Amino acid sequence: DVKVTQSSRYLVKRTGEKVFLECVQDMDHENMFWYRQDPGLGLRLIYFSYDVKMKEKGDIPEGYSVSREKKERFSLILESASTNQTSMYLCASSYRAHFPSGANVLTFGAGSRLTVL
Amino acid sequence: SQQGEEDPQALSIQEGENATMNCSYKTSINNLQWYRQNSGRGLVHLILIRSNEREKHSGRLRVTLDTSKKSSSLLITASRAADTASYFCAAILTGGGNKLTFGTGTQLKVEL
Repeated sequence: DVKVTQSSRYLVKRTGEKVFLECVQDMDHENMFWYRQDPGLGLRLIYFSYDVKMKEKGDIPEGYSVSREKKERFSLILESASTNQTSMYLCASSYRAHFPSGANVLTFGAGSRLTVL
Repeated sequence: SQQGEEDPQALSIQEGENATMNCSYKTSINNLQWYRQNSGRGLVHLILIRSNEREKHSGRLRVTLDTSKKSSSLLITASRAADTASYFCAAILTGGGNKLTFGTGTQLKVEL
């Protein structure tokens, strides 16, 4: 029973192309996140969203944008792909948690491995 | 950004042995979690330990948290080949809003 679905497992794009990575969750989660994962650097947060049409920058938003038109869908957009955006992209979702007593337990998708040539 | 640091980066053990991984942060932390990632896949949540807890168990997993040292450890007892994976800690940092900040991960290999 897949709960967070990422549209593509593997993509190969050329420098300058516009790239869309789609993520859909079926758990009615309020929060959705996009991370990228690179060897030796762990997971780094690109963007996140706490509600429909709402977005906030994470730690490395440069070169990326996002869209959340519906609660279940969170899209990551690379306006003009570059070779340094070759990476594994991970989408995650969670229920809203109340800081500090709550905690975001994330449910991840399987990941999308993007290669930019 | 404040990332968690994990130690060791890689660990290779024999089946049946225990595996211990450590995680530390430079700032105060709340509610630390551990995740597992099989090769080329997404992460799966293992366990959460709250900042007012010192130790927590779940099956063969034992997690400790020392908020004064800003560190946590994950112990997997009686390891199995199926435990081979990468393990990541993730914490909410004081002043970091409600976002999880992940560590760099420990690659565990359990050999038969």
